[in-house]
Amino acid sequence: AQSVTQPDIHITVSEGASLELRCNYSYGATPYLFWYVQSPGQGLQLLLKYFSGDTLVQGIKGFEAEFKRSQSSFNLRKPSVHWSDAAEYFCAVGGGSQGNLIFGKGTKLSVKP
Amino acid sequence: DAGVTQSPTHLIKTRGQHVTLRCSPISGHKSVSWYQQVLGQGPQFIFQYYEKEERGRGNFPDRFSARQFPNYSSELNVNALLLGDSALYLCASRDRRETQYFGPGTRLLVL
Repeated sequence: AQSVTQPDIHITVSEGASLELRCNYSYGATPYLFWYVQSPGQGLQLLLKYFSGDTLVQGIKGFEAEFKRSQSSFNLRKPSVHWSDAAEYFCAVGGGSQGNLIFGKGTKLSVKP
Repeated sequence: DAGVTQSPTHLIKTRGQHVTLRCSPISGHKSVSWYQQVLGQGPQFIFQYYEKEERGRGNFPDRFSARQFPNYSSELNVNALLLGDSALYLCASRDRRETQYFGPGTRLLVL
């Protein structure tokens, strides 16, 4: 079955510290992979995406993610977190015939001053 | 350029009522998808429409229906509302490279 797992429900980091959010997927075909961010009460904003090619992808707001096929992972990273990064982060996989995205349950990021 | 727009932003209904949610995609995008996001969960796929035809349907009851108009805008209809239908309903506009861009959502509360 197709699925996305985000093992960490809630992460707290200090401002200026590095960040890594984990994402593992199960998908029968070559996946399209996405990270979205959601602020409270808002819609989803696309951070970055991976379709093919270079396995390290750069996104907006200084985020990057690395696709590791052997580990079925697509972890999100940022070298230095800002207080404005506090939000919920969703990993998603797509590319199927229905065109739908399958989302993980999300990781809530809190940032300590 | 305008992003995906949804209306209304908030809605309160009572059990058994019917609701219609509306979405306008990004200009030039011909595909619209609908998702339901309940509190504390990731979005769940409901429907995808492309060129006014249903191209995908998630695991939702027949009380949920949708359509897409010639201008590519879309409506999601939910009949016989249940308390469990309370959620944030998200519309996404898809480009030719399979990337989905989301609107701000409609928050539905069923009492």
